[in-house]
Amino acid sequence: LAKTTQPISMDSYEGQEVNITCSHNNIATNDYITWYQQFPSQGPRFIIQGYKTKVTNEVASLFIPADRKSSTLSLPRVSLSDTAVYYCLVGDIETGRRALTFGSGTRLQVQP
Amino acid sequence: KAGVTQTPRYLIKTRGQQVTLSCSPISGHRSVSWYQQTPGQGLQFLFEYFSETQRNKGNFPGRFSGRQFSNSRSEMNVSTLELGDSALYLCASSLELARPDTQYFGPGTRLTVL
Repeated sequence: LAKTTQPISMDSYEGQEVNITCSHNNIATNDYITWYQQFPSQGPRFIIQGYKTKVTNEVASLFIPADRKSSTLSLPRVSLSDTAVYYCLVGDIETGRRALTFGSGTRLQVQP
Repeated sequence: KAGVTQTPRYLIKTRGQQVTLSCSPISGHRSVSWYQQTPGQGLQFLFEYFSETQRNKGNFPGRFSGRQFSNSRSEMNVSTLELGDSALYLCASSLELARPDTQYFGPGTRLTVL
């Protein structure tokens, strides 16, 4: 299973764009990249998922370069409520390899 | 529709004891996965149950076991507790076998081993 590496923490201010990068050098051909958000005392919540290039939804964008050895979660115009831990997850969702391994996460602190 | 519920929310045990945690998935969901979350190791996959059968297993010792009932509710058991088992135990449910974009997590059970 591919191991992921993320920055431990990041600080930002309201209204700014935040980019969190995750390294996954050993990503396999069948692996997808998924990002979760977790607030204190809650379970993780799915944000976005992608395989290559760029994916965008109403919450975030995910940029994946051609070699897929890293990915960047982009949160546009963050607010105080975006303060949370963000996890990058790499896993094979098409075969039996469904043991989903989370990284240590990035603690994002948004200041007013 | 009610979300994933876990009981109890908090638990304190001593070393050597055993503990059973319960997870009720979202109605209609057939898959339940269990995770252990600690500050040092992050979120680690324990196992997944689907239709009462364990389908996937993470790298945890045999002291960690689970089961799923016909109504999809799941229990996780940890025997001979160690201090390092102190963690937040999360379960997640899915309609079918777990996928990252279809899992819904519960609030977790915080286990403290003294």
